[in-house]
Amino acid sequence: EIQLVESGGGLVQPGESLRLSCAASGFTFSDYSMHWVRHAPGRGLEYVSTISRTGTTTYYGDSVKGRFTITRDNSKSTLYLQLGSLRPEDTAVYFCARPYYGSGNPPHYWGQGTQVTVSS
Amino acid sequence: QSVLTQPPSVSAAPGQSVIISCSGSSADFGNSYVSWYQKLPGTGPKVLIYDNDRRPSGVPARFSGSKSGTSATLGITGLQTGDEADYFCGTWDARLSAVLFGGGTKLTVL
Repeated sequence: EIQLVESGGGLVQPGESLRLSCAASGFTFSDYSMHWVRHAPGRGLEYVSTISRTGTTTYYGDSVKGRFTITRDNSKSTLYLQLGSLRPEDTAVYFCARPYYGSGNPPHYWGQGTQVTVSS
Repeated sequence: QSVLTQPPSVSAAPGQSVIISCSGSSADFGNSYVSWYQKLPGTGPKVLIYDNDRRPSGVPARFSGSKSGTSATLGITGLQTGDEADYFCGTWDARLSAVLFGGGTKLTVL
């Protein structure tokens, strides 16, 4: 069974940093690119970032570019998202997701999400 | 970044059918494959349709998808109260190198 389990969320103040993790199981992690997507109350799904199978190529949504960093450790089947210079508008549930095919397609399998709250 | 356009809300009575549209403005959308997701409060999105019209195992045949040019649709027949949720379309835009999502459509089953 494919499982994605996010962790690392919490309450932080504006300007602070946080690192999210996503532990993957049930498939060969290194065969797939991976996504991060977030969902804020009353708002739609928002694209955050994608990383290639090897980790050498990364993409970011406009609202997080320059502040967030996506990485992966294929030896641990774990995806990471380093959140920096956090703003109140970054408050959301953050999901990691795997595409159906190896790369170049949208999320298919999703985790349950981890809550990030940015507030003073 | 461009987004996909969905109606904010649709509603219908139990047993009836609805169609939710998703239109794209990106020049690459016509060549992209669309997925549809159901989002319930407190849970991760669930994929209902992928590759425009393919249904994952376990998703009832009441859910169907189609795509023509720069417009995709999700159809739901035999509406149930349990279908009340937010529905999103999504695609990978190769030109923008980003996942694009629609703004979401809230389905109310009256």
